[in-house]
Amino acid sequence: GNSVTQMEGPVTLSEEAFLTINCTYTATGYPSLFWYVQYPGEGLQLLLKATKADDKGSNKGFEATYRKETTSFHLEKGSVQVSDSAVYFCALLRGSARQLTFGSGTQLTVLP
Amino acid sequence: NAGVTQTPKFRILKIGQSMTLQCTQDMNHNYMYWYRQDPGMGLKLIYYSVGAGITDKGEVPNGYNVSRSTTEDFPLRLELAAPSQTSVYFCASRLDREGTEAFFGQGTRLTVV
Repeated sequence: GNSVTQMEGPVTLSEEAFLTINCTYTATGYPSLFWYVQYPGEGLQLLLKATKADDKGSNKGFEATYRKETTSFHLEKGSVQVSDSAVYFCALLRGSARQLTFGSGTQLTVLP
Repeated sequence: NAGVTQTPKFRILKIGQSMTLQCTQDMNHNYMYWYRQDPGMGLKLIYYSVGAGITDKGEVPNGYNVSRSTTEDFPLRLELAAPSQTSVYFCASRLDREGTEAFFGQGTRLTVV
């Protein structure tokens, strides 16, 4: 079946540090891939997505590239801010599947 | 643009009580979902629906019931609340189209005492 494996957390960084959160997946064919962010006390919000191989999703300074050859969709940001502190979820949707498959989430804390 | 609206935001129940968590969406999405999120954990799918009149179990359906009489509404019913149901509950919806993302509500924080 489909599965998503995320980097273990929590991750703690200083402001302006470089961020990478690893995400790898298992799925047949060409799934669509998503990163969601959950700020404290809120629901999940879509951060970015990519629907085919080699696509790069980007939003709010975050980027992720859909790598079919390594089945990965790693999230990166060049310079994190305190306001980026949140839980980040990687997810996939395979073809006609009725539900998204989520990773376990990675807690990010950015210190001033 | 309301999106997905959940009520209530917070609720405290006593063991054995019942309640309904409300969820409504105004985007005409045919797929709707209920998840629970325990502290420090990911999301677990409780139930989902692919359209009015059609529901199906997810990963953790025991202790819950759902109905889908309209496209807009997808209430979640807890019949006999137990402490193990203390959690944050999220409703989500999405369009039935390849590559489309799910939209989430703000969540209901439920405590069973």
